[in-house]
Amino acid sequence: NAGVTQTPKFQVLKTGQSMTLQCAQDMNHNSMYWYRQDPGMGLRLIYYSASEGTTDKGEVPNGYNVSRLNKREFSLRLESAAPSQTSVYFCASSPRGTRGSGANVLTFGAGSRLTVL
Amino acid sequence: GNSVTQMEGPVTLSEEAFLTINCTYTATGYPSLFWYVQYPGEGLQLLLKATKADDKGSNKGFEATYRKETTSFHLEKGSVQVSDSAVYFCALHGGSNYKLTFGKGTLLTVNP
Repeated sequence: NAGVTQTPKFQVLKTGQSMTLQCAQDMNHNSMYWYRQDPGMGLRLIYYSASEGTTDKGEVPNGYNVSRLNKREFSLRLESAAPSQTSVYFCASSPRGTRGSGANVLTFGAGSRLTVL
Repeated sequence: GNSVTQMEGPVTLSEEAFLTINCTYTATGYPSLFWYVQYPGEGLQLLLKATKADDKGSNKGFEATYRKETTSFHLEKGSVQVSDSAVYFCALHGGSNYKLTFGKGTLLTVNP
């Protein structure tokens, strides 16, 4: 019962470096999400994928790209990291992929703590 | 757009005290409402939910009632334990999109 698995758990980057956060879920969920968590800001949606083959911007997409590689995997890429991207990143998934389908319960990964120097 | 406002923390209580964390929301239509909990060093996990007005969600001794007239979903527990120390997030899902909107979280610390 792995649920949502994120890698790496910790990463330190220098400004301008690139990296990819990996996320995989084994629950056959349709939808996947990337959030960032910052003190005093709660969780903010970066990108989401309603279903395999689609991705959409969330509240704070600038500086990020995503790839929905297949139904299981949804990666988040920082092309040129900036100190403002220092945060804890959470991947999540949910079973529903249909608009207006009601309750949409998310299952979260354990998080990836990223520091950009 | 949708928004969630929850009480600022941190909240510090003694074991067996009564807990209330206030949450109010703004949304069009009839959203579903959630409380998520984040234990130290972990991701968020669903604590309870309610999908329509007057529904009461409950789990692990926590309760919250969906009040449409006051647009509220306050979290309550009659007797907290040290193990309840965590960050609690109120959230809503509006039916016309996929996104979950979160409040900023309330840190609860329960002392023995």
